[in-house]
Amino acid sequence: QLRLQQSGPGLVKPSETLSLTCTVSSGSVSSNSYYWGWIRQPPGKGLEWIGSIHYTGSSYYNPSLKSRVTMSVDTSKNQFSLKLSSVAAADTAVYYCASPDVDTAMVVYWGQGILVTVSS
Amino acid sequence: QSALTQPASVSGSPGQSITISCTGSSSDVGNYNLVSWYQQHPGKAPKLMIYEVNKRPSGVSKRFSGSKSGNTASLAISGLQADDEADYYCCSYAGGSSFGVFGTGTKVTVL
Repeated sequence: QLRLQQSGPGLVKPSETLSLTCTVSSGSVSSNSYYWGWIRQPPGKGLEWIGSIHYTGSSYYNPSLKSRVTMSVDTSKNQFSLKLSSVAAADTAVYYCASPDVDTAMVVYWGQGILVTVSS
Repeated sequence: QSALTQPASVSGSPGQSITISCTGSSSDVGNYNLVSWYQQHPGKAPKLMIYEVNKRPSGVSKRFSGSKSGNTASLAISGLQADDEADYYCCSYAGGSSFGVFGTGTKVTVL
């Protein structure tokens, strides 16, 4: 059973870059069974898929965020990361890391979620 | 890429059955049998309830069932219980440049 543990700052200034990391335990980021994804939820609103990346480098990004998103996988640390540049107040949200299944796209395992507030 | 459309709220009395719809397009729901449903209680991460349209993960009650017709998927909850009160989101694989797209979310209230 995978465990995903998120880390990163809870406060980011406008125009700066949001950086979050998700550490995988009881499993490997080099698994062929999963993509590694990020999903966010603005306060009081719905879920939004940010993007997903496979350890081989195959990736998908939400078209509305693609120009500002960078995702990566670090197999040596068993981690994957999200960077979102030029943030604004509208990027304030709870950010979840997740493990979409390669074959079914379902997400069984989720990180605990981190509220990231964009404010000066 | 637009969010899938769900009703904002659905309610029912304990023991009753309810259905939540999820309408997408021929680019997502209609093109793939990869629709999943998630339950989210306040302050918690979402929990997978249904995957591949109508399959239940181990541990999920048989009271939850899924179906799909054309561009619309549905989640049915029978024998409504107090703990079913939560937000529910559908999600479809969307292929192309995006991996997945979520629905707008439905708040289920147990009267």
